[in-house]
Amino acid sequence: EDKVVQSPLSLVVHEGDTVTLNCSYEVTNFRSLLWYKQEKKAPTFLFMLTSSGIEKKSGRLSSILDKKELFSILNITATQTGDSAIYLCAVGKTGGYQKVTFGTGTKLQVIP
Amino acid sequence: GAGVSQSPRYKVAKRGQDVALRCDPISGHVSLFWYQQALGQGPEFLTYFQNEAQLDKSGLPSDRFFAERPEGSVSTLKIQRTQQEDSAVYLCASSLVRTSGTDTQYFGPGTRLTVL
Repeated sequence: EDKVVQSPLSLVVHEGDTVTLNCSYEVTNFRSLLWYKQEKKAPTFLFMLTSSGIEKKSGRLSSILDKKELFSILNITATQTGDSAIYLCAVGKTGGYQKVTFGTGTKLQVIP
Repeated sequence: GAGVSQSPRYKVAKRGQDVALRCDPISGHVSLFWYQQALGQGPEFLTYFQNEAQLDKSGLPSDRFFAERPEGSVSTLKIQRTQQEDSAVYLCASSLVRTSGTDTQYFGPGTRLTVL
């Protein structure tokens, strides 16, 4: 059975802190790892990673994938209150269509 | 439209009632997915459409759940004889292409279903 495990489950930090969110996975026929931010209801896409060791960046957010150790991290530097959200990790598989398996998410709260 | 839309945004049903949840995907998107998200959990896959064809319904929890996309655009998820355990947020997502792992899924705002 495919598994995606995120840690920590929740995190409270102060504005300006740097956070690292973790995602480990066990899936057959791995194709891609995706990060989403969920603030109210709709998850919004952040990154898709398919290759090990290549960092993807978007502003203060960055992510990297390690396909040998089967994990990914999402870093957020200089956190702001607007970063408060649930961060979801999902893994896509090869074959047919993009069926993804989601982790339970990390709930991040950034306090002023 | 500009994004994926879902209606209603909130639905309260009495146990045993039937409900229908609607999803309008982004125009031209081939793939459409339905997910169920319970409180404190990540989205769980329910079913997948490629155009009008339902290619995977392995995630539907029981035969009370039925989904359709008759013209390859709008989709409806129907739940018959609702039970309290059906209470969740139902998310719809669409993506442009059908090949696996190569395209981003765009999510709608979800429908929060509460069964009393």
